[in-house]
Amino acid sequence: GESVGLHLPTLSVQEGDNSIINCAYSNSASDYFIWYKQESGKGPQFIIDIRSNMDKRQGQRVTVLLNKTVKHLSLQIAATQPGDSAVYFCAETYSGGGADGLTFGKGTHLIIQP
Amino acid sequence: AAGVIQSPRHLIKEKRETATLKCYPIPRHDTVYWYQQGPGQDPQFLISFYEKMQSDKGSIPDRFSAQQFSDYHSELNMSSLELGDSALYFCASSLGWQPQHFGDGTRLSIL
Repeated sequence: GESVGLHLPTLSVQEGDNSIINCAYSNSASDYFIWYKQESGKGPQFIIDIRSNMDKRQGQRVTVLLNKTVKHLSLQIAATQPGDSAVYFCAETYSGGGADGLTFGKGTHLIIQP
Repeated sequence: AAGVIQSPRHLIKEKRETATLKCYPIPRHDTVYWYQQGPGQDPQFLISFYEKMQSDKGSIPDRFSAQQFSDYHSELNMSSLELGDSALYFCASSLGWQPQHFGDGTRLSIL
């Protein structure tokens, strides 16, 4: 079936640099996208979301970009800190189907170098 | 702020046994979701409930069943457990179209 995927399984960045994590999705019916952060032994933690009627949304140190033309999603983390080390998942769903489950991508492990 | 509570945090069972996982959603949240995450894998959606009615169904085996009770907590019942059922099981809750918030999961190990 259709699924969401990530280009890179591991991303290593220097502390203080900006990080960009990418995600490709293939379900053209998806209209709601979420980024989650998962630390070892914990559940996915909500970071930021975006609906398909937007192409950019900003939070605290994070920005999500959505390009519906090429079905691409990215998460930008500004001034990366050691606490940002985690696995990052993008997830997508179609909001018109009721309480539909999320389809997750494969995850990117973000490693922060001191 | 109150989060999603799951119990137990760890569970060890043997093949062919049964298990029941519990989930207590964030107060006022009306929707509960269950996910399974294998080692090094992304979470896979199993099933969801809205206002105590099954809403969506994913890759949930026939050996598994779930329900949402009048107090909105949910239970995932698993029977005839197999080695391949060893995984992290997450519950998430949401209110309407608010984002899903996850608990810290139950780690199920099948011996």
